[in-house]
Amino acid sequence: RKEVEQDPGPFNVPEGATVAFNCTYSNSASQSFFWYRQDCRKEPKLLMSVYSSGNEDGRFTAQLNRASQYISLLIRDSKLSDSATYLCVVNSKGFQKLVFGTGTRLLVSP
Amino acid sequence: DGGITQSPKYLFRKEGQNVTLSCEQNLNHDAMYWYRQDPGQGLRLIYYSQIVNDFQKGDIAEGYSVSREKKESFPLTVTSAQKNPTAFYLCASSINRVGNEQFFGPGTRLTVL
Repeated sequence: RKEVEQDPGPFNVPEGATVAFNCTYSNSASQSFFWYRQDCRKEPKLLMSVYSSGNEDGRFTAQLNRASQYISLLIRDSKLSDSATYLCVVNSKGFQKLVFGTGTRLLVSP
Repeated sequence: DGGITQSPKYLFRKEGQNVTLSCEQNLNHDAMYWYRQDPGQGLRLIYYSQIVNDFQKGDIAEGYSVSREKKESFPLTVTSAQKNPTAFYLCASSINRVGNEQFFGPGTRLTVL
């Protein structure tokens, strides 16, 4: 079983739609969780950290469910510029080694 | 501006040649990392360094070597022993604290001809 699993998509949504991605992780001892965004042929960029209490940044909301070992990302009022691949990232045991999911691709159309 | 730089952006190499990828950061981060990304796969950790003059193998270190002589610099050498070196190579850095987020350079796309 992969340490971090994501639905690869693509998720095709119209502008203004709300879309949600889930990501499951296998290591119950994981402590840190992040969502990164990666545009085609570019480096990943930190979108947001995911806290136990959940957190919101503008149109983006991240949630953590430790009992079921998944994190989610909700994007409201999708923009064309949201089209990208969203990487779920979890810290592994030991030092700050991070494990990256393969990403979920989002395509927002006019 | 603070950040991470990688050079070159594109690199072509003939089979059997070693090549060194540069990574420099001015964020005053202690920890630095090298990943490779292949199409349809997640980032895979090659090497990482928590402090100057120390580094650890990641999940796919075979065929690669690194050095960490300065805090700001963490060059990666792709040797001829690496069987499938064509990939997108990403360097990252972070504050030296468990589970902290990492920040990435723009990457080097290596193609072996």
